[in-house]
Amino acid sequence: AQTIHQWPVAEIKAVGSPLSLGCTIKGKSSPNLYWYWQATGGTLQQLFYSITVGQVESVVQLNLSASRPKDDQFILSTEKLLLSHSGFYLCAWSLWAQDTQYFGPGTRLLVL
Amino acid sequence: DAKTTQPDSMESTEGETVHLPCSHATISGNEYIYWYRQVPLQGPEYVTHGLQQNTTNSMAFLAIASDRKSSTLILPHVSLRDAAVYHCILRVDSGGSNAKLTFGKGTKLSVKS
Repeated sequence: AQTIHQWPVAEIKAVGSPLSLGCTIKGKSSPNLYWYWQATGGTLQQLFYSITVGQVESVVQLNLSASRPKDDQFILSTEKLLLSHSGFYLCAWSLWAQDTQYFGPGTRLLVL
Repeated sequence: DAKTTQPDSMESTEGETVHLPCSHATISGNEYIYWYRQVPLQGPEYVTHGLQQNTTNSMAFLAIASDRKSSTLILPHVSLRDAAVYHCILRVDSGGSNAKLTFGKGTKLSVKS
């Protein structure tokens, strides 16, 4: 069965510091991968999607970047965090673009 | 993005059958109706989806109006574990490389014992 793991579970970071969040999918080959973000009290927004290794498309500009270094790995990062980056980050996968998306457990980020 | 309208909240009691409505008056022919649910500090959980026909699985029954302008998620015999925010989402099947899910506020379902 497929599993989706996100790390870290939660993080407290200082404004201006770098960030790296990870997502790993096991049990599925060549999935489509997605990053979503939810501000506290807000709605989920899709940030990035990737259909294959090395290819990432940006959906919303939030001074974040994403990379897919391996088939089963998706990384979200920035060199300088802003207060507005606080929130809940979710990774999701699907078999292909038009298939159901399944979400991971999420990473809580607090920027102070 | 296509829009859906859901009540902000609904209350129920354990063992009841709950009907969660969703209005999507401007739905297009190539848009699927998806339902997810989310509890605080967890990722959304897929519940079900449909295009035209009613669908059923172990979690819920999805009733889609014949004109597709509304749908109802039916949860039989709810338990405390069913308390969550339920999101009704339209997803376009455009054949492209991305299918962005646009989440709204959803319906917060409370279940009392």
